[in-house]
Amino acid sequence: GAVVSQHPSRVICKSGTSVKIECRSLDFQATTMFWYRQFPKQSLMLMATSNEGSKATYEQGVEKDKFLINHASLTLSTLTVTSAHPEDSSFYICSARGGGVDTEAFFGQGTRLTVV
Amino acid sequence: AQKITQTQPGMFVQEKEAVTLDCTYDTSDQSYGLFWYKQPSSGEMIFLIYQGSYDEQNATEGRYSLNFQKARKSANLVISASQLGDSAMYFCAMRENYNQGGKLIFGQGTELSVKP
Repeated sequence: GAVVSQHPSRVICKSGTSVKIECRSLDFQATTMFWYRQFPKQSLMLMATSNEGSKATYEQGVEKDKFLINHASLTLSTLTVTSAHPEDSSFYICSARGGGVDTEAFFGQGTRLTVV
Repeated sequence: AQKITQTQPGMFVQEKEAVTLDCTYDTSDQSYGLFWYKQPSSGEMIFLIYQGSYDEQNATEGRYSLNFQKARKSANLVISASQLGDSAMYFCAMRENYNQGGKLIFGQGTELSVKP
């Protein structure tokens, strides 16, 4: 399968600072990227869908000013958690898809964010 | 309304035995896909098997098979000859090809423990 690289795998940041998470498709052009959040022992909750060159579509209840998503190129999407608080501590995972809605999406390795 | 339901929070199985993980779904789309992923403690999402709504044959991938019952809207995962390395979280997911923009919606997950 195709390779999606997510970086960093783990990050610890201080409360009030911002942290950026990168998601790269290494061997295909990702027209669509998805960002998920996962709390321990729980399901993956979709946060937003981003299409290259356009604004991300956020799921209900997700603060778009807090979770900034940029999908400026066909191989890179970034999620920035702004003014992070301890309750933002979670596992964030991206997936990327090239082509139409019925094509497979591939997952990154995930980022474990801890806000102290 | 919950679109993907996994009713078994945890399951135990003896090594070398088969186990069935339940998944039911709800959609009004005619075209959709059903997926199963394995998530070990490292957090990565490992794709296991896919079933398209128009596929008449049940999908199989090695020790994994998907028991697709369209009328009942169920897509249970069967793992044959369980191994200790199968211990992980398992997620069922659905993609509606025409509604929802092709995003994956996940069930609550089932934690499988394989006993020696």
